[in-house]
Amino acid sequence: EIVLTQSPATLSVSPGEIATLSCRASQSVSYLAWYQQKPGQAPRLLIYDTSDRATGIPARFSGSGSGTDFTLTISSLEPEDFAVYYCLQRSNWPPGFTFGPGTRVDIK
Amino acid sequence: QVRLVQSGAEVKKPGASVKVSCKTSGYTFTGFYLHWVRQAPGQGLEWMGWIDPNSGGTNYAPKFQDRVTMTLDTSITTGYMELSRLRSDDTAIYYCARDRTRYWYQDFDYWGQGALVTVSS
Repeated sequence: EIVLTQSPATLSVSPGEIATLSCRASQSVSYLAWYQQKPGQAPRLLIYDTSDRATGIPARFSGSGSGTDFTLTISSLEPEDFAVYYCLQRSNWPPGFTFGPGTRVDIK
Repeated sequence: QVRLVQSGAEVKKPGASVKVSCKTSGYTFTGFYLHWVRQAPGQGLEWMGWIDPNSGGTNYAPKFQDRVTMTLDTSITTGYMELSRLRSDDTAIYYCARDRTRYWYQDFDYWGQGALVTVSS
């Protein structure tokens, strides 16, 4: 089973600054997505297939990476971006999904 | 528009079963896998499995293999997730989510509002 590790666990950032979130896998991953979750809400898909933005997601969100190392970058944090971010990997065999433990982005 | 509306909160005793429903609308029900994801209080997300509304086939995460059953009623475009032999650590919000890709599994684009299941004696 592939295990995902996200770092840092908590990131304190000021509005307007850049946030860089890391997701590392215990073995090579073929498909990775990123989600944002705010308190009391369901998760929202931000990035799929490593770097493609989901419908309606602002351009300040970008994804990159390959193999075992992936990054979500928020180029200039807006007040509404303070939330928890999860990475998600899809396995082809055995078929299934695993989430990372999450990174909380707090206001500095 | 695509909508997934789940049943309400439940309180169950240890050892009991719970069945959560997910009423879908706004898209072709048989075209997209339906996933179930749970989140314990203050914790992260955990994928439980999927059901393919086109074939009825299922794929459960190993952790839940012997306790979860996912079913459908295509006549009312609704999916169900039943979890048996409940324990206190099954207390969580249970989400249904639609796969983004037709006839395949990729990621989840539309989510239900979640259903809180509390297991307590």
